[in-house]
Amino acid sequence: SQQGEEDPQALSIQEGENATMNCSYKTSINNLQWYRQNSGRGLVHLILIRSNEREKHSGRLRVTLDTSKKSSSLLITASRAADTASYFCATDGNNNNDMRFGAGTRLTVKP
Amino acid sequence: EAQVTQNPRYLITVTGKKLTVTCSQNMNHEYMSWYRQDPGLGLRQIYYSMNVEVTDKGDVPEGYKVSRKEKRNFPLILESPSPNQTSLYFCASSPPGYANEKLFFGSGTQLSVL
Repeated sequence: SQQGEEDPQALSIQEGENATMNCSYKTSINNLQWYRQNSGRGLVHLILIRSNEREKHSGRLRVTLDTSKKSSSLLITASRAADTASYFCATDGNNNNDMRFGAGTRLTVKP
Repeated sequence: EAQVTQNPRYLITVTGKKLTVTCSQNMNHEYMSWYRQDPGLGLRQIYYSMNVEVTDKGDVPEGYKVSRKEKRNFPLILESPSPNQTSLYFCASSPPGYANEKLFFGSGTQLSVL
């Protein structure tokens, strides 16, 4: 069963705008990760945030985590056409060593 | 080049014909795992391995087998494939100490079972 659910399912913006994607999950976690996938290719790890962290930055990426609401958000600032991809959140599962992914948000950045 | 290599990239087979999808990593990673990706469902974990000779079921292990006899290899075996196993499959591994974190993914295997 899926642990994370991304929202929205699809997002279309203009280059230069910010993109925000949300992830909600159901059970307690040790960490939450965001991955990116370009059209059917392998996923690429973007950023990891641990359950005792509230915010993390990496370049143009900003991730927040609210464990009381069981939710996370990924913000991509000053988006570029090359950011067009699907973005997935992933959490550790029931026994801490397995992993569960959401269904993803499809981001389209128009030049 | 550090990478996770899956083969084949595309595979078309018929129901019941045993097949193996290979996965190899050259980064000395301990944790390896297999996922299937279906439209609208994201990635679902099939099996994972914490180290040599240690494997565990993920969310959707039915119909699949794995083995981890060497650190670098983690093949996925479908003893009797069925059409509902048509999917895009990914192998992934992670650096020592990270277990199911910061995964490196292979390029994927698109499997069609007729």
